[in-house]
Amino acid sequence: GAGVSQSPSNKVTEKGKDVELRCDPISGHTALYWYRQRLGQGLEFLIYFQGNSAPDKSGLPSDRFSAERTGESVSTLTIQRTQQEDSAVYLCASSPRTSGGIETQYFGPGTRLLVL
Amino acid sequence: AQSVTQLGSHVSVSEGALVLLRCNYSSSVPPYLFWYVQYPNQGLQLLLKYTSAATLVKGINGFEAEFKKSETSFHLTKPSAHMSDAAEYFCAVSGTGNQFYFGTGTSLTVIP
Repeated sequence: GAGVSQSPSNKVTEKGKDVELRCDPISGHTALYWYRQRLGQGLEFLIYFQGNSAPDKSGLPSDRFSAERTGESVSTLTIQRTQQEDSAVYLCASSPRTSGGIETQYFGPGTRLLVL
Repeated sequence: AQSVTQLGSHVSVSEGALVLLRCNYSSSVPPYLFWYVQYPNQGLQLLLKYTSAATLVKGINGFEAEFKKSETSFHLTKPSAHMSDAAEYFCAVSGTGNQFYFGTGTSLTVIP
């Protein structure tokens, strides 16, 4: 595709419900990142996928958060039993490959999650 | 470990004036440094990046940044602000690992 796409663009859910966020990276990009951006704060790294390697999950804030990626395609970020503090914009980015952190990341428009 | 500090969450400049957005980094390894911009209702896009080549890096839309190791800084500048420069700007650092560390962002307002 032309760029990274994310869906839904907005999600309102009730506390305790599960939500699933989707990211479609740019075709051919092997690296994929998820970030969280709380209001007034910077981007917080969540998880990183590179090809078929084991993902780097070191940024996931709790075991309620999980993410999957099938090969080098779509990724889903799942938040179970959502809490109000999960309200944020969730950003996905992809890059062609990784080489020690040099590569440019291409960001999607984000999913704005509101937990009531 | 790496981290980034952006001084000034909000910066206002007059149209035509110099833009200076500050970024200081901390890194235990030679860093790679990035500036990203987020225009209203759009995703982040790369302005420029430093990858240990020239210390003065030129980016899109007339922006540039200078890597100063002695000051651990990577400030973003533009000689003359344009109304279309109004946006959120993020500085980021990465090292040899997978993670990128972003600053909290600086919101730039351009006053006509």
